[in-house]
Amino acid sequence: GAVVSQHPSWVICKSGTSVKIECRSLDFQATTMFWYRQFPKQSLMLMATSNEGSKATYEQGVEKDKFLINHASLTLSTLTVTSAHPEDSSFYICSTPTEYQETQYFGPGTRLLVL
Amino acid sequence: LAKTTQPISMDSYEGQEVNITCSHNNIATNDYITWYQQFPSQGPRFIIQGYKTKVTNEVASLFIPADRKSSTLSLPRVSLSDTAVYYCLVGSNDYKLSFGAGTTVTVRA
Repeated sequence: GAVVSQHPSWVICKSGTSVKIECRSLDFQATTMFWYRQFPKQSLMLMATSNEGSKATYEQGVEKDKFLINHASLTLSTLTVTSAHPEDSSFYICSTPTEYQETQYFGPGTRLLVL
Repeated sequence: LAKTTQPISMDSYEGQEVNITCSHNNIATNDYITWYQQFPSQGPRFIIQGYKTKVTNEVASLFIPADRKSSTLSLPRVSLSDTAVYYCLVGSNDYKLSFGAGTTVTVRA
């Protein structure tokens, strides 16, 4: 069964509003979670690394003030897209390393459409 | 992170074997090779991982030559439901994954 869940699975919002996406690890603790963005017909692009109890680490070119990440518990990381614009419309996916960090579990993704 | 190169797309028919080769010339000594599958509007799903020689599981085989500069994912007897994008990734257990363009495999009836 699924080990990582995301909520919501899809969301439509107006330009200028903020949207929060949740990523939960099911039945295990995840001290590290990753957030990816994927545009249509393109590959996944790592946005940031979320660490429980500390600040997230952002990849080059990703605005930390626009994409707020909170990892307040061992099972939940949230990504908030602030002041969303149509160009933020994308598929957002989270992941977490497996128990021995040899690979990653990915969430089902969240489709964001900004009008 | 070692860069990988894969074919952009491959076409096949049901029942055939599909082999996708990935080049990773700059693979490091402690790097593993991992393949993921992604269906439209879904997160990637782990298929198989290997370090050297051959690895086989219930869905695929992974062939890695001695120099480890390439690897081949083999999907036996594909079905329509195997139509997806397949990603080859190379890295050690330091968490970060760097996805390349992937290979779009289309299986036709």
